Amino acid sequence: DSGVTQTPKHLITATGQRVTLRCSPRSGDLSVYWYQQSLDQGLQFLIHYYNGEERAKGNILERFSAQQFPDLHSELNLSSLELGDSALYFCASSVALGSMYGYTFGSGTRLTVV
Amino acid sequence: DAKTTQPTSMDCAEGRAANLPCNHSTISGNEYVYWYRQIHSQGPQYIIHGLKNNETNEMASLIITEDRKSSTLILPHATLRDTAVYYCIVRGENNDMRFGAGTRLTVKP
Repeated sequence: DSGVTQTPKHLITATGQRVTLRCSPRSGDLSVYWYQQSLDQGLQFLIHYYNGEERAKGNILERFSAQQFPDLHSELNLSSLELGDSALYFCASSVALGSMYGYTFGSGTRLTVV
Repeated sequence: DAKTTQPTSMDCAEGRAANLPCNHSTISGNEYVYWYRQIHSQGPQYIIHGLKNNETNEMASLIITEDRKSSTLILPHATLRDTAVYYCIVRGENNDMRFGAGTRLTVKP
């Protein structure tokens, strides 16, 4: 158990729908990062939040949004889902900003869009 | 962040040391070298990181060349459970971790 909790573990939904993925960071960690990994693809950075504030955006579609709440958990909202959104979505956390701090990843949410 | 170059795949015999190379010729002085691995579809697992000096922990050793343009991750006694994709990442100050294709290491009996 890495200490980063992602729910749900599996999600199956239809095209056009909206889903919310949840991430609870490791205790004491202020930063949350979201990544997408499609089948046989690398990990694509989506977005980074630090202590409730958005810090950086990567390859995140406009149909996707995220937020970090005062208790530091984060949610990734995916709307108008398409077949191509089927992927593993990972959340990671780190204690602070700064390149000397590594990330701890959760076990991911597998999203299947049918 | 500096780009990294890793071999696409490598094999290693069980019980032998696995040496995974990474080139990062454009690395800057304040950029760290990180290694993660991903076993099948699990979440990436932190292995080790370093700035200039060689580092060792319970999982692996990280050897960084003096000019910092390359590094080697060493798994001293590879087991079948070490079969995974290994990612070498160079990370600058306040920059996010960007993963490349990594090296697919297969440990064979």
